[in-house]
Amino acid sequence: KQEVTQIPAALSVPEGENLVLNCSFTDSAIYNLQWFRQDPGKGLTSLLLIQSSQREQTSGRLNASLDKSSGRSTLYIAASQPGDSATYLCAVRVNKLVFGAGTILRVKS
Amino acid sequence: DAGVIQSPRHEVTEMGQEVTLRCKPISGHDYLFWYRQTMMRGLELLIYFNNNVPIDDSGMPEDRFSAKMPNASFSTLKIQPSEPRDSAVYFCASSLRGGQGAVNTEAFFGQGTRLTVV
Repeated sequence: KQEVTQIPAALSVPEGENLVLNCSFTDSAIYNLQWFRQDPGKGLTSLLLIQSSQREQTSGRLNASLDKSSGRSTLYIAASQPGDSATYLCAVRVNKLVFGAGTILRVKS
Repeated sequence: DAGVIQSPRHEVTEMGQEVTLRCKPISGHDYLFWYRQTMMRGLELLIYFNNNVPIDDSGMPEDRFSAKMPNASFSTLKIQPSEPRDSAVYFCASSLRGGQGAVNTEAFFGQGTRLTVV
């Protein structure tokens, strides 16, 4: 059974800091890995999708990496801003999407 | 495309009543997922469909829950009878096939239905 773990569960950083969110999964037989952002009371917004054959994807200040063999992914956020405060979720896809519990990020101004 | 559309956005109902949640996936997507989110349990997959056929309903908590997808553009999640412990946010998501070599397999979520059973 696929299990997804996200570390840390919560993170509070000052504005401008670079930070890394971690995601690990137990079964490396995945099709892709997707990072989402969720603001309080809102739906999930897709940030980045990494196919299983890819090593990383970049979008603006976000960079996500994937090491399928070790079952790990990281989301790197450069020069964090208060507007980045949200819950970040990773999900791995076989046929269904299996989610981690998320990392709650707070960026202080 | 307007994205995944869910209705209603909010639903307050009394215990014992029937509740029907609705979802319109993105046109052309052949996978549809229903999730439930609570503070205690996070995001739980309830059921998912491929080409309108239910593939895995092992996450459906009880027989009180049922889901249908009569066509490629519409799905419902029904709870009958509803109970206070069903209170949660229910999300619908859709995507294209996620097989080996597949591309454009990003999953998109609706805004959710916040269900409160009193």
